[in-house]
Amino acid sequence: QKEVEQNSGPLSVPEGAIASLNCTYSDRGSQSFFWYRQYSGKSPELIMSIYSNGDKEDGRFTAQLNKASQYVSLLIRDSQPSDSATYLCAVRSNFGNEKLTFGTGTRLTIIP
Amino acid sequence: DGGITQSPKYLFRKEGQNVTLSCEQNLNHDAMYWYRQDPGQGLRLIYYSQIVNDFQKGDIAEGYSVSREKKESFPLTVTSAQKNPTAFYLCASSGTSGIKSYEQYFGPGTRLTVT
Repeated sequence: QKEVEQNSGPLSVPEGAIASLNCTYSDRGSQSFFWYRQYSGKSPELIMSIYSNGDKEDGRFTAQLNKASQYVSLLIRDSQPSDSATYLCAVRSNFGNEKLTFGTGTRLTIIP
Repeated sequence: DGGITQSPKYLFRKEGQNVTLSCEQNLNHDAMYWYRQDPGQGLRLIYYSQIVNDFQKGDIAEGYSVSREKKESFPLTVTSAQKNPTAFYLCASSGTSGIKSYEQYFGPGTRLTVT
């Protein structure tokens, strides 16, 4: 079982709709969770971090964390063509250890 | 502007040659990391350093070496022992204290092609 799993996609969403990206992780001791956006040929860009159960909103982005079920999700409201990218989920597992484990990413395409 | 720089953006080498990739940051971050990204495989950790003059192997350290003589710099050498060196190499850094201490920020990357 992979430590951090994401559906590779591609996920196609109409412009203006809500895009929902999911990530599950295997280590119950995981402490911190991150979403990165990566455009083709570019490096990952941090867009959201979440540390406690519940929702965290930042503009059109909402991160949701459920530690009991070991999943974290990212919602993108009012999707724009510029949101088309690969979204990487990253998890920090061990307290005091700064290593992140990345999922393989979900490719999102917003259809105009 | 604070940030992470990597050079060069593209690098071409012949098989059997060692090559060093540069990574510099002016974010005053203590921790620095090197990742490798191959198509469809996500990011894999090569080496990381939490403090000057100290570094640890990541998941795929074989065939690579690093040094951390200055807080700002964390160069990666891809040696001839690395069997499949062609990849996109990403350097990242993070702080080590405070609420944002585990947020990693990436440089623009170096695309290495070995033939």
